[in-house]
Amino acid sequence: DAGVIQSPRHEVTEMGQEVTLRCKPISGHDYLFWYRQTMMRGLELLIYFNNNVPIDDSGMPEDRFSAKMPNASFSTLKIQPSEPRDSAVYFCASSPIADTQYFGPGTRLTVL
Amino acid sequence: AQTVTQSQPEMSVQEAETVTLSCTYDTSENNYYLFWYKQPPSRQMILVIRQEAYKQQNATENRFSVNFQKAAKSFSLKISDSQLGDTAMYFCAFRNSGAGSYQLTFGKGTKLSVIP
Repeated sequence: DAGVIQSPRHEVTEMGQEVTLRCKPISGHDYLFWYRQTMMRGLELLIYFNNNVPIDDSGMPEDRFSAKMPNASFSTLKIQPSEPRDSAVYFCASSPIADTQYFGPGTRLTVL
Repeated sequence: AQTVTQSQPEMSVQEAETVTLSCTYDTSENNYYLFWYKQPPSRQMILVIRQEAYKQQNATENRFSVNFQKAAKSFSLKISDSQLGDTAMYFCAFRNSGAGSYQLTFGKGTKLSVIP
């Protein structure tokens, strides 16, 4: 099994630009999670999906953030427009029904 | 709301020795899951071990074991025969077991250095 796949691994962009992060969960996992990791706030859940449907997006910081899951094998997290304070590592994780979450390698985002 | 506290920001251990990382949590729930994740410099989050609250027996995975004290709301991780590859950030995490409660709450982490 390839595990959770995220792309890109690194992203550097300028303030105001649109950023799209991508995730492919482990096949057969019904749940997909997006987390953000910063030094100040640690690991925070942004949103999670069950069977491609968003269940809880209360962690999404602002309307500039949006996430989609068009099918069971793909999800995106979009930031538009990006700001320097969005700089962080963004993780995608997936899990079988109500069980252990397996994380991808993360995307390190730097907004200049 | 649940909280997870890791009181040791940094620790070090000599190679081949044993080290214990502390974690306490606060919850009013009776059934839940606890996890330890490892994050090496590559920043990949790797599951080390999990514990279900309704199980009294402490979980063990090779050199990694936990001391789960439900009444004290304590969940410490013991690493035996420490290896250089164990150098990493270690995060304790909590999740409710009820339907719809899939959010992981993480502690701030403990940075472990294994010294040759």
